[in-house]
Order: sequence, then structure tokens, then C-alpha cells
Amino acid sequence: QVQLVEAGGGVVQPGRSLRLLCAASGFSFRSYGMHWVRQAPGKGLEWVAGLSYDGRIENHADSVKGRFAISRDNVKNTLYLQMNSLRPEDTAVYYCARDPGGCGGDCFYFDLWGQGTLLTVSS
Amino acid sequence: DIQMTQSPSTLSASVGDSVTIACRASQTVYNWLAWYQQKPGRPPKLLIYKASELQTGVPPRFSGSGSGTEFTLTVTSLQPDDFATYYCQQVHRSPFTFGQGTNLEIK
Repeated sequence: QVQLVEAGGGVVQPGRSLRLLCAASGFSFRSYGMHWVRQAPGKGLEWVAGLSYDGRIENHADSVKGRFAISRDNVKNTLYLQMNSLRPEDTAVYYCARDPGGCGGDCFYFDLWGQGTLLTVSS
Repeated sequence: DIQMTQSPSTLSASVGDSVTIACRASQTVYNWLAWYQQKPGRPPKLLIYKASELQTGVPPRFSGSGSGTEFTLTVTSLQPDDFATYYCQQVHRSPFTFGQGTNLEIK
């Protein structure tokens, strides 16, 4: 079954750190670029970070640059998001999403999404 | 950053109607635009990519058009399952920004 399953969300205090993970199955994870997208409660979608299939090319939104780091383990078929210096405005459902590729590299749109994991940053 | 503006924010329609949602980019994104559908409590679903290419498995009553800065998503013969929120996303340049969403509701 082709799927992405996120984990690691929860309630954390401002300034603390947390790591999200996304377990991929049913497809060749090592062949696809991967991304994190978040959605604050009742709000729209915000792209957070992306990483190429081989982990060599990464992008982060300005809102998380220097605080969040995306990484992957192509042996474990897992995508990670290390989040440091968390702020209340980081509260959101975090989705991992697959880039279909084939656009002369990554396409940066997303054809497969996980169900999401909720992060709440609050004292 | 490239700003994406959708209109309208809310759209009321009936089953069987045809509707059009507009998406405007603050600068050209050529045809690097995607559309998603999202239902409450669910992740988004890719409908259209490269402005007009229909994602596999998506019914042909969904169609996309446009290029440059002006884009539209059209849904013909609305079905009950189509009432949801729709987002456009530019994928021309990082950060890959989304529109604010259009809530398609039943009249």
C-alpha cells in the first residue's frame, strides 16, 4: 500500500525542540523528492521545506530557515523534520508529501500526502 | 515571494452546476501551477498540475487553464463529493506558495 505516515507531533513549550518523522511505504522512497507542508488550525496551506531524492538539494521557507532542518534516510524510508526554537505560530498540522518528479528534477507539487501530525506550541 | 490570490474566497453552488475559481500570481509563474482539493480533517488531494494537466484518477469534470499570472479551475456538473476547499499553488520559485483557498459550499 502506497502511503506516508507522519509521527512525532504533540504539545511542546515555546523555545523547545521536536523531531517529526514520516515513514514511507509501497513505493521507491529513494527515487522521490519529499516535502513538509503545514496547516495552522482553520488556516491555509504553507510549504515548509523540501529535499531532493538524494538529500543533496534542500529548500526551506523563510519562516523556518535556521530553525527547522529537513533530512531523510533512504535506507529506513523515512523523512524527518527537526524543529528547534519552536514558536506558538508553528502550531499546525504537519504533512509530509511526495514530489512526483519528472520535471527535469523536482516538480514541487505533491501527488501523495500523509494524514498529518499535529504540533501545538504552547506554554 | 510570489503571492497567490484566489477568488472568490467562498462560492455557493448546487449539485449539477458548473463553477470557476480564479487564481492570480503576483508575478509570472509560466505554467507552473497546481490545484488541490481538501476536505475537513483530510490532507489535500492533487487535481491539476502544470496548470492544465489532469492528475491520474481525477474525474474529467475538473479542468485547469491559464498561464503567466492568471489561472482558473473549472468544475462542471458538480457532484456532492466536490464540495470542499480548493487551493492553487505556484511551483515556479521557492517558497512554493499557496493561495488562501476557496471554500465551495452547497447552496
